[in-house]
Amino acid sequence: QKEVEQNSGPLSVPEGAIASLNCTYSDRGSQSFFWYRQYSGKSPELIMFIYSNGDKEDGRFTAQLNKASQYVSLLIRDSQPSDSATYLCAVNNGITGGGNKLTFGTGTQLKVEL
Amino acid sequence: SQTIHQWPATLVQPVGSPLSLECTVEGTSNPNLYWYRQAAGRGLQLLFYSVGIGQISSEVPQNLSASRPQDRQFILSSKKLLLSDSGFYLCAWRWASGRDTQYFGPGTRLTVL
Repeated sequence: QKEVEQNSGPLSVPEGAIASLNCTYSDRGSQSFFWYRQYSGKSPELIMFIYSNGDKEDGRFTAQLNKASQYVSLLIRDSQPSDSATYLCAVNNGITGGGNKLTFGTGTQLKVEL
Repeated sequence: SQTIHQWPATLVQPVGSPLSLECTVEGTSNPNLYWYRQAAGRGLQLLFYSVGIGQISSEVPQNLSASRPQDRQFILSSKKLLLSDSGFYLCAWRWASGRDTQYFGPGTRLTVL
């Protein structure tokens, strides 16, 4: 069974600090990796995707992928109270056809404290 | 631009009653469509997906069913709801080809009493 693991948290960081969220996956054939943010009571919204090993930066967010170690992380610089949410990691095994399904982790709750 | 709608936003239903949730997508053709359920404090569970009109794949056997009567319409149904069907139901879409990013609708919160 393909699995995506995340620490449920809560992860508490002070305002202005760097928040580091981690995710590991079991399927070595995984090709695409996604981070979604979900505020309480709302639907997930896409933050970033990454396909290649290394770092990908978008504003205050940096996604890091290491396929050899089978982990993907999300760094949030200059954390703001508005970043307080649950962050979901999702993985696609890249097999064409079959609906291109994503496997989601259970999410890490982030709390940014004043 | 693309927009995804779900309704109703919230629903309270008695055990044993039927269910119909609707999802529509605007601004794209032949999308892949997905139904997920998120139980309280749990992860996203894929229920059904569809790659075209009338084409439904079930991921989890249960008392729910899905249909896709039109290209951009996806319906989740049940003949008799169970208490365990309570949860947050999310519809998502992705482009039929190319990148596999999924985009979620606003969701329907279902409470079965």
